[in-house]
Amino acid sequence: DSGVTQTPKHLITATGQRVTLRCSPRSGDLSVYWYQQSLDQGLQFLIQYYNGEERAKGNILERFSAQQFPDLHSELNLSSLELGDSALYFCASSVGLLRNSPLHFGNGTRLTVT
Amino acid sequence: DQQVKQNSPSLSVQEGRISILNCDYTNSMFDYFLWYKKYPAEGPTFLISISSIKDKNEDGRFTVFLNKSAKHLSLHIVPSQPGDSAVYFCAASADYGQNFVFGPGTRLSVLP
Repeated sequence: DSGVTQTPKHLITATGQRVTLRCSPRSGDLSVYWYQQSLDQGLQFLIQYYNGEERAKGNILERFSAQQFPDLHSELNLSSLELGDSALYFCASSVGLLRNSPLHFGNGTRLTVT
Repeated sequence: DQQVKQNSPSLSVQEGRISILNCDYTNSMFDYFLWYKKYPAEGPTFLISISSIKDKNEDGRFTVFLNKSAKHLSLHIVPSQPGDSAVYFCAASADYGQNFVFGPGTRLSVLP
């Protein structure tokens, strides 16, 4: 158990809809990251927050947004969903910002857009 | 353009033998590399890392080798155990932050 909690585990929705994925980081971790894994693809970095502030952005679509709240949990909002948004979405947390702080991943949310 | 490549989607190895998973990268600015292991229905877990100032790092049964001139790294698992059956991701970083680029993964099956 990594200590990172993601809800829900599965989400099925229709094109054009909006969903919110939630992540609670490990106790004490200030950094939260969101990754997307599409079929047979590696994990694509979306966005990083550190102690409530956006820290780095990857290939995140404009239809997607995220935030980290004062209690350090984070939400990833996906809107105007398309079939191609179907993927596994992982949240990870780490204690610091440096790369020698390993990322601890949650078990992911599987999003299916029909 | 895939900056981190794992050209073998899958690999099968007999229990007790060596497993060698390969990873190639194109960005010469990458100077820190990691391997993560992922079981079904779980998130990836950190396995081992290596900085470009080294060419080898060992942790128990796991050893990572880095060949900077060839832009190639490999993960050796000796001896392989059935519990090692998982998807292995190679990841690379070009700065001191945590903006990692992941490869597509290699599925390792260790047969009893």
